[in-house]
Amino acid sequence: EAGVAQSPRYKIIEKRQSVAFWCNPISGHATLYWYQQILGQGPKLLIQFQNNGVVDDSQLPKDRFSAERLKGVDSTLKIQPAKLEDSAVYLCASSLYDTQYFGPGTRLTVL
Amino acid sequence: AQTVTQSQPEMSVQEAETVTLSCTYDTSESNYYLFWYKQPPSRQMILVIRQEAYKQQNATENRFSVNFQKAAKSFSLKISDSQLGDTAMYFCAFTASGGGADGLTFGKGTHLIIQP
Repeated sequence: EAGVAQSPRYKIIEKRQSVAFWCNPISGHATLYWYQQILGQGPKLLIQFQNNGVVDDSQLPKDRFSAERLKGVDSTLKIQPAKLEDSAVYLCASSLYDTQYFGPGTRLTVL
Repeated sequence: AQTVTQSQPEMSVQEAETVTLSCTYDTSESNYYLFWYKQPPSRQMILVIRQEAYKQQNATENRFSVNFQKAAKSFSLKISDSQLGDTAMYFCAFTASGGGADGLTFGKGTHLIIQP
């Protein structure tokens, strides 16, 4: 069974630029999550989708972050404009029931 | 809101020894799940073990086992016969779930180093 796929693996941008991350969940998993992991900390949930609807986006900085999940499968997370404090690893996870499986993550560096 | 606390930022043991990582949590939920995830330098978050709160029996997966004390809200991970490949960050995580899975609340992690 293929795991959660993410791209790109690394991204370096200047502050105020925009960036987008892509995630393809495990086939058949209805729930998809995006987490932000700042260096030295545990991941923090940004947004949760159930099929193509948003379940929880309470911790998503909506003035600069946006996410969508078209057709209930792939998802993209966008940051516009990026700030220095957005430097982090962005993890995508998916689940069928209660256990979440993670992708390899995207390391974002904002200069 | 739920909180997860891992009080050991770093631990180091010799290969083949047994090591226990601590985790406590706080919640008012009655139905929930607890997890231990391993994150090696590659950054991939790998599921180690899961525990359903309504099950009294402690979960085990090969060399990994948990000591789940529901009343004390404690969920420690024991790694037996530790191996060099066990070196990684270990995160304790919690989700309250009534059916579908909610987002995970993570602790800050414990950096485990297995010495040869």
